[in-house]
Amino acid sequence: GQQVMQIPQYQHVQEGEDFTTYCNSSTTLSNIQWYKQRPGGHPVFLIQLVKSGEVKKQKRLTFQFGEAKKNSSLHITATQTTDVGTYFCAGRNQGGKLIFGQGTELSVKP
Amino acid sequence: DAGVIQSPRHEVTEMGQEVTLRCKPISGHDYLFWYRQTMMRGLELLIYFNNNVPIDDSGMPEDRFSAKMPNASFSTLKIQPSEPRDSAVYFCASRWTGGATGELFFGEGSRLTVL
Repeated sequence: GQQVMQIPQYQHVQEGEDFTTYCNSSTTLSNIQWYKQRPGGHPVFLIQLVKSGEVKKQKRLTFQFGEAKKNSSLHITATQTTDVGTYFCAGRNQGGKLIFGQGTELSVKP
Repeated sequence: DAGVIQSPRHEVTEMGQEVTLRCKPISGHDYLFWYRQTMMRGLELLIYFNNNVPIDDSGMPEDRFSAKMPNASFSTLKIQPSEPRDSAVYFCASRWTGGATGELFFGEGSRLTVL
């Protein structure tokens, strides 16, 4: 079946360093969403990308959707301890089904 | 506004017992989803409803799992009999078709431990 692969599984950074997580789909997506789950919490929606090559920014977070609409990335500039958590991408396939990646767990050392 | 409300937040039970998890979606939302989260398998979609009708239950592990949505404001996920491998956090989420982004609103989850 269709899969959404996300790497890396874990990332440990020093506060102030940058962080990037990547998401790849085996098939073309109609859109992709990103969620953040704090430790012990629940996933919370961050953003949705729809257009090929789209780039969106939220303060220190930059989201990109690939030209082929099969991959995406989330980049955090100058991480802070408040960025700790697991970041999930979720791709919506042509049939409308939302498929979550395995998530990237980010830890930030002060 | 209240978000998605799930109960219980924590449940510890013994193998073989029946477990019922409950969810109240956000008022006006027409889709409801049940997810299971474990370290090994991540976030798995179990089943989802549209306007109270089950649309896709292909993620339900086996016949021990069942889900109902008797009305627009309530859904249950039942496991009978429960097994230790069912231990996980179960999330309910809802969304509104008319929303700009189709984002899912998750509840705080029900953490199930089966001994």
